[in-house]
Amino acid sequence: AQKITQTQPGMFVQEKEAVTLDCTYDTSDPSYGLFWYKQPSSGEMIFLIYQGSYDQQNATEGRYSLNFQKARKSANLVISASQLGDSAMYFCAMREGRTGTASKLTFGTGTRLQVTL
Amino acid sequence: DTGVSQDPRHKITKRGQNVTFRCDPISEHNRLYWYRQTLGQGPEFLTYFQNEAQLEKSRLLSDRFSAERPKGSFSTLEIQRTEQGDSAMYLCASSYPLSYEQYFGPGTRLTVT
Repeated sequence: AQKITQTQPGMFVQEKEAVTLDCTYDTSDPSYGLFWYKQPSSGEMIFLIYQGSYDQQNATEGRYSLNFQKARKSANLVISASQLGDSAMYFCAMREGRTGTASKLTFGTGTRLQVTL
Repeated sequence: DTGVSQDPRHKITKRGQNVTFRCDPISEHNRLYWYRQTLGQGPEFLTYFQNEAQLEKSRLLSDRFSAERPKGSFSTLEIQRTEQGDSAMYLCASSYPLSYEQYFGPGTRLTVT
């Protein structure tokens, strides 16, 4: 079974609007972490935001926020006030195990976001 | 620049040849990860080092693949007898001992003709 599911292959958003990128996950480990990475056409993976499974509040980093719904196993990324430079691939990823334990990331298939004028 | 670096950035090779990639992690990071990303997919885990010890390998890492981190600093990933299916972006990441964040390098894009 897919551990990370991103059902939106592509999304369009107008500049200055907000957009939500969906991510659902599957794990039986009570300790896990959820990540969002941005990958521009140049190829590097840029860390955006992190949510731990025990964190009580939704994570926020500037224009990025993570809508964490534990019971529904979803971790959607919200980008507010979209900018042209936000056009990129966005990947949701999960680490299983406690923070500090070495653990690989499992990635979804990504969502390509296009910001239009 | 003190980020993760990878060399080369691009490699074109003929089927059957051997290739080697290098990753230099951020200097204080003792954990180093290799991932492979094929077109249209997210990165997939290949292997992981803590210092010089290789602690986990994916089933994706066939016996044609070998990775080393001899002194716990830089790492190399070698692919022997390359196949067209090996064409992908090979990403390296590193992290601090107690940190959740993995810092990725720019990747090495391999094309096998």
